[in-house]
Amino acid sequence: LAKTTQPISMDSYEGQEVNITCSHNNIATNDYITWYQQFPSQGPRFIIQGYKTKVTNEVASLFIPADRKSSTLSLPRVSLSDTAVYYCLVGDFGAGSYQLTFGKGTKLSVIP
Amino acid sequence: KAGVTQTPRYLIKTRGQQVTLSCSPISGHRSVSWYQQTPGQGLQFLFEYFSETQRNKGNFPGRFSGRQFSNSRSEMNVSTLELGDSALYLCASSLSVAGRQETQYFGPGTRLLVL
Repeated sequence: LAKTTQPISMDSYEGQEVNITCSHNNIATNDYITWYQQFPSQGPRFIIQGYKTKVTNEVASLFIPADRKSSTLSLPRVSLSDTAVYYCLVGDFGAGSYQLTFGKGTKLSVIP
Repeated sequence: KAGVTQTPRYLIKTRGQQVTLSCSPISGHRSVSWYQQTPGQGLQFLFEYFSETQRNKGNFPGRFSGRQFSNSRSEMNVSTLELGDSALYLCASSLSVAGRQETQYFGPGTRLLVL
């Protein structure tokens, strides 16, 4: 799995849009980008996955530039319940490739 | 559809004892992976089972072992517990379908405290 770099922590006020950027300079052609969210003492929860350009679901958007060396997770109008650690993972997540390598993640604190 | 379940949720053991943790994957999922999470080391991959066979293994000592049953349920065993084994143990399941990018679904974890 490609090494990723993301900010250790971020603060945001409620109602704001939050963008968390992840750098992955060594991303391979077959690699996808996946983001997980984890609350204290719970298992990580899948948020979004993408390969290129933009992916959007009911929770977040993922922006991936053409060179794919970075990606940005966008959380619209965050609330206090979005306070969590967000992990960016890069790799080939095909069948049999389940050795997920989690970095330190980004601790997002949402302030009222 | 029910999510990944893990039992027990909390466990206290003493050094030298052994412990068995259980994981029931999402119905239809055939792959089960185990992870250890500690404040110092973060989330680390232990091993993955598919069709009752260990398919991937992380860098943990042989005291950590696991198995998978025919119904895809999995157990993880840690023998001769050490203080450093205190952690949140997470189980994750996936469909494991060739040609697809997979999503792993995590359970709530088992919090193990070794005294």
